[in-house]
Amino acid sequence: RKEVEQDPGPFNVPEGATVAFNCTYSNSASQSFFWYRQDCRKEPKLLMSVYSSGNEDGRFTAQLNRASQYISLLIRDSKLSDSATYLCVVIRSYNTDKLIFGTGTRLQVFP
Amino acid sequence: EPEVTQTPSHQVTQMGQEVILRCVPISNHLYFYWYRQILGQKVEFLVSFYNNEISEKSEIFDDQFSVERPDGSNFTLKIRSTKLEDSAMYFCASTKGTSSSYEQYFGPGTRLTVT
Repeated sequence: RKEVEQDPGPFNVPEGATVAFNCTYSNSASQSFFWYRQDCRKEPKLLMSVYSSGNEDGRFTAQLNRASQYISLLIRDSKLSDSATYLCVVIRSYNTDKLIFGTGTRLQVFP
Repeated sequence: EPEVTQTPSHQVTQMGQEVILRCVPISNHLYFYWYRQILGQKVEFLVSFYNNEISEKSEIFDDQFSVERPDGSNFTLKIRSTKLEDSAMYFCASTKGTSSSYEQYFGPGTRLTVT
């Protein structure tokens, strides 16, 4: 079983739509959670950390459900510039700081 | 806003040659990392570095690989004898590593092509 699993997509949505991505992680000891975005052939860029209480940054909302080992990202009012691959990323435990990446979910926003 | 920088952006080398990839982490960051991404695959951890030594490495990071912080700003990844399967994007990352922030910031990457 993959340590971090994501639906690869693609999700094709019109501008203005709301879209949600989910991610599951297998290690219940996982401590830190992030969403990164990656444009084609570019570096991963940190979108937001994910906290137990959930957090929001403008049009983006992230949620963590530790009991179900599940992380979500909601994007409201999608823009063309949101088109990218969204990477779910986990740090496995207190003893490590290496990032474990999911394979990513591709989002394509069309006019 | 401070950024991680990497050079070169693209390196082409022949199998068996040595390459050195260079990174300048964000200046007040203390923890440094190398990751790689083979085309079409996920980003994979290679090595982490703190206080002038390796703190963790993956099974990919074998004896062919080494890292160094030769001065106060550069952080390098050396591959001694490149193989075809080393072709990938190599990303450097850094973080402050304080209890308030383990967020890692990535450089733009070096595309390594081994022929």
